[in-house]
Amino acid sequence: RKEVEQDPGPFNVPEGATVAFNCTYSNSASQSFFWYRQDCRKEPKLLMSVYSSGNEDGRFTAQLNRASQYISLLIRDSKLSDSATYLCVVQGGGADGLTFGKGTHLIIQP
Amino acid sequence: TAGITQAPTSQILAAGRSMTLRCTQDMRHNAMYWYRQDLGLGLRLIHYSNTAGTTGKGEVPDGYSVSRANTDDFPLTLASAVPSQTSVYFCASSDSGLGSPLHFGNGTRLTVT
Repeated sequence: RKEVEQDPGPFNVPEGATVAFNCTYSNSASQSFFWYRQDCRKEPKLLMSVYSSGNEDGRFTAQLNRASQYISLLIRDSKLSDSATYLCVVQGGGADGLTFGKGTHLIIQP
Repeated sequence: TAGITQAPTSQILAAGRSMTLRCTQDMRHNAMYWYRQDLGLGLRLIHYSNTAGTTGKGEVPDGYSVSRANTDDFPLTLASAVPSQTSVYFCASSDSGLGSPLHFGNGTRLTVT
């Protein structure tokens, strides 16, 4: 089983819709979780950290389910500018402590 | 603006030649990382450094070396480039400890011919 798994997509979603995707992780000792956004040919940028109680930032909501070992990202009222690849990052365990998923590609269509 | 800077932005390199990719941060972060990103393989860690003076091997260290003489700089050297090292290279930094996210540089696009 891969350490961090994401559905690669692409997710094709109409503008204004709500979209959600998950990321599963295998290391139960993982302690910190993040969502990054990466635009084509650009560097990954931190979208939000994921807290145990869940957290919201505008149209974006992140949640953690420790029992089932996954984190989720929900985007409401999607915009064309939300089109990107979303990377899940899990921290904790291992010398470098960070494991990246391969990303979920999201395409918002007009 | 504070941040992390990589150079060059892109480079075409003949196989067998050596090259150093530069990475500098001014955020006084203790930890620094080098990743390569290839289509279908995602981000893979090459080397990392948890603090100045120490380095460690990541998932794909072969053919690469790093040094961490001070807090700000973390150069990545290819001693004898091969075509399989064609990739986009990202440098990143973070504060020490759990819960500290990574900050990435703009990347270096390297083509080995």
